[in-house]
Amino acid sequence: GAVVSQHPSWVICKSGTSVKIECRSLDFQATTMFWYRQFPKQSLMLMATSNEGSKATYEQGVEKDKFLINHASLTLSTLTVTSAHPEDSSFYICSARGEDSAGNTIYFGEGSWLTVV
Amino acid sequence: GESVGLHLPTLSVQEGDNSIINCAYSNSASDYFIWYKQESGKGPQFIIDIRSNMDKRQGQRVTVLLNKTVKHLSLQIAATQPGDSAVYFCAENRGGSYIPTFGRGTSLIVHP
Repeated sequence: GAVVSQHPSWVICKSGTSVKIECRSLDFQATTMFWYRQFPKQSLMLMATSNEGSKATYEQGVEKDKFLINHASLTLSTLTVTSAHPEDSSFYICSARGEDSAGNTIYFGEGSWLTVV
Repeated sequence: GESVGLHLPTLSVQEGDNSIINCAYSNSASDYFIWYKQESGKGPQFIIDIRSNMDKRQGQRVTVLLNKTVKHLSLQIAATQPGDSAVYFCAENRGGSYIPTFGRGTSLIVHP
C-alpha cells in the first residue's frame, strides 16, 4: 500500500536553532499534504494544509513565520521550525492525500519527535 | 469500565470482550468520517471509514455506526485482543474538503 515517510523520526535541537522535517510520499503523488502537531495524550491538531506549488494554508493560531512549510514537488513537503523553543517540543505528523478512485484517501507518516533543549 | 482522564478518556476491557468506542462530532456538514488507531509513538493507522449516507459499515472485527441525528459515531471492536490496545481517534472531513479533523481520542487498554 501507499507509504508516507517522515525524516527524521526524532531530533533534538538547541533552543534558537531551526530544524527541518521532511515528509515524502513514496509510491504516489500527493498534491496535498497536511501537517499535524500532537502533544502527549492529546489529539492531533492540524497546523497547515500544504498544496504542491502554492503557499500553505495555516490554521488559526499557527504562526506561519515560525512553522515554514514548503511543498516543492508532488512527493515532498517540508516543515521547518524556526528559532525553536522548548515549547515547540512535540510530535509532528504529516499526511498525504493520494489520488485513488475515491480521490480522498489519506495516508499518515510515522511522525517525528522534536525535542528542543 | 470507562473513565475520563485529564486529557484522554480510557476504556479498559478484558481480552475477548467486545469494545465500543464513542465519538461526538461537531460539524453537521461533515460527510465523511474515519476511525484511526494510533499506537504509542507512531502515526495514525486507518481502520474504517463511513460516508454520511450510511448508518453502518462493517470491516474485519470492526463496525462503525453513524447517527447523524445526534452527531455521534461509534467503533465496535469484536473479540478485542491485546494488540488492539492503542488510542483511537475519530476524524471528520470538513464538508467535502477532505481535511481530516481529529476528535479527542480514547485510550483502549486490553487486559489479557
